Amino acid sequence: DAKTTQPPSMDCAEGRAANLPCNHSTISGNEYVYWYRQIHSQGPQYIIHGLKNNETNEMASLIITEDRKSSTLILPHATLRDTAVYYCIVHYGGATNKLIFGTGTLLAVQP
Amino acid sequence: NAGVTQTPKFRVLKTGQSMTLLCAQDMNHEYMYWYRQDPGMGLRLIHYSVGEGTTAKGEVPDGYNVSRLKKQNFLLGLESAAPSQTSVYFCASSPWGASTDTQYFGPGTRLTVL
Repeated sequence: DAKTTQPPSMDCAEGRAANLPCNHSTISGNEYVYWYRQIHSQGPQYIIHGLKNNETNEMASLIITEDRKSSTLILPHATLRDTAVYYCIVHYGGATNKLIFGTGTLLAVQP
Repeated sequence: NAGVTQTPKFRVLKTGQSMTLLCAQDMNHEYMYWYRQDPGMGLRLIHYSVGEGTTAKGEVPDGYNVSRLKKQNFLLGLESAAPSQTSVYFCASSPWGASTDTQYFGPGTRLTVL
């Protein structure tokens, strides 16, 4: 699995969009970009994933650059409950289907 | 539908003691995983299972054993606990091992070894 680079921390004002960047310059053609978050030491929670195209669900949007070397997770209207560590993971299922977690980005939503 | 549950939530052991952590899922998933998370770090895979009766080693398997006698349960055992095994343990499951199969995580077990 390719490695990812994320900023260690970010702040966002409540009600504003939170844009979390991720670099994955060594991603392979069959690897997906996944985002999970972990709220205060709870179990990680799946947010969204994508391969090439931009994706949107009820939680967030995922924008992947055309060369697939970076992506951005967008929380459109951040709330205090979105304060968490956000993990960007590039992933190809394979025999183990294991996820390789880095240290993620601590997003602090400010009132 | 409870998803993934873990028992116990907290445990304190003395060095050399043994214990078993239980993970249960009610989603009929084939794959199950045990991860550990140390302070300030991401999760690391200990062992995993691709189906009932099968187990395999992950990144950090030393000091742990696992069993998957029933599809819905995945047990993690510590035969002789060491302070280095103080950590938060997370269990997860996924339908299969496909690239698009999301992993669902349990709430974690916080283990302290004195």
